[in-house]
Amino acid sequence: GAVVSQHPSRVICKSGTSVKIECRSLDFQATTMFWYRQFPKKSLMLMATSNEGSKATYEQGVEKDKFLINHASLTLSTLTVTSAHPEDSSFYICSARERGVWGNQPQHFGDGTRLSIL
Amino acid sequence: SQKIEQNSEALNIQEGKTATLTCNYTNYSPAYLQWYRQDPGRGPVFLLLIRENEKEKRKERLKVTFDTTLKQSLFHITASQPADSATYLCALGGQGSSYKLIFGSGTRLLVRP
Repeated sequence: GAVVSQHPSRVICKSGTSVKIECRSLDFQATTMFWYRQFPKKSLMLMATSNEGSKATYEQGVEKDKFLINHASLTLSTLTVTSAHPEDSSFYICSARERGVWGNQPQHFGDGTRLSIL
Repeated sequence: SQKIEQNSEALNIQEGKTATLTCNYTNYSPAYLQWYRQDPGRGPVFLLLIRENEKEKRKERLKVTFDTTLKQSLFHITASQPADSATYLCALGGQGSSYKLIFGSGTRLLVRP
């Protein structure tokens, strides 16, 4: 149980393109989803917290107009990297918290999206 | 600022031995600490959670300790196997009302056959 599917797994595109990444909870409802960015051999850096039906909460230093987050249902959140540039190339990972569980429960992660901007 | 430190150098051990990984933190009062495993190109997978009022937690070959005075957690894998080779991340959570986790940069474990 508690499977999170992230799509696509890899994207290669030209500079200036906007890229949408989907994060779905397959067998549970997720009121909260998180979006992380990870550089090689570095920690997961939280970009934003996505709550179903409300605006996402962005971490300090993350441009909300650059990284658009939509959490329109209890099983789907999307991250759109707008007008992507080479410096946006990274490994993006989403995670989800199951609806109704206590705060100390684990997050369930997707397998990440490798974004490469040429 | 909040800081989580995990040994950045890879831990290289012989199969069958016990692997011990360390997670130290500063400027944080977590209500709980979690350990995750991450394989290359994959998302983290949850392993164990330990609360601030717990000293030790076990699950099969895994053991976690949590010392809030030292601000340190130790993660042990007994009878290690080559399949245990991966990067292990510690994550702190529960400060305030947030559900956010703060992750360490992870320690890579290599188990030699």
